[in-house]
Amino acid sequence: DAGITQSPRHKVTETGTPVTLRCHQTENHRYMYWYRQDPGHGLRLIHYSYGVKDTDKGEVSDGYSVSRSKTEDFLLTLESATSSQTSVYFCAITTINPGQTYEQYFGPGTRLTVT
Amino acid sequence: QKEVEQDPGPLSVPEGAIVSLNCTYSNSAFQYFMWYRQYSRKGPELLMYTYSSGNKEDGRFTAQVDKSSKYISLFIRDSQPSDSATYLCAMSDHTGTASKLTFGTGTRLQVML
Repeated sequence: DAGITQSPRHKVTETGTPVTLRCHQTENHRYMYWYRQDPGHGLRLIHYSYGVKDTDKGEVSDGYSVSRSKTEDFLLTLESATSSQTSVYFCAITTINPGQTYEQYFGPGTRLTVT
Repeated sequence: QKEVEQDPGPLSVPEGAIVSLNCTYSNSAFQYFMWYRQYSRKGPELLMYTYSSGNKEDGRFTAQVDKSSKYISLFIRDSQPSDSATYLCAMSDHTGTASKLTFGTGTRLQVML
């Protein structure tokens, strides 16, 4: 599992409330990602980070913000949750192999329901 | 049209069958290709990783890439009920170092006893 944990694993929240999801990794990986997974859409990149305080937007970043103040933690915040943000959220990391090839590993996911 | 197309299935096969899972893509810059397996309510698990065209084998699994046709395949030999899962293809153009992946929507596989 590449040492990735996500918290909480399940959350139900109301429309308009702020929500923060946490991704924690223990192996000092530089690159971290947040994806959402929805039926018919597969996995879509929300934001990613290439180092402490270095982040960038992905394909579906509207309504989300991220922060990375420590190598091991990557936080995803929904400032004001909407029902369209009901989804399963996955954190991922990239490992860099000898020869500069890349492999991406995923955490167990957070199931978020916005009512 | 999506950049990566994948038949959602479900694909039902008897135990012991050879399974063929496929993806097509439109971005000719893609050069890293991956297959993930995802069990229900779990995170995707990296199965196979290939670079450019050709075949790669790992046990009962073979990944095949045909860049000229923009077509990738995953073959599973001697399929088992434990192979029942959703299989996701993913690919990257590997520009820069962030390795952003583009995923197919996944094919659900059921291996019947």
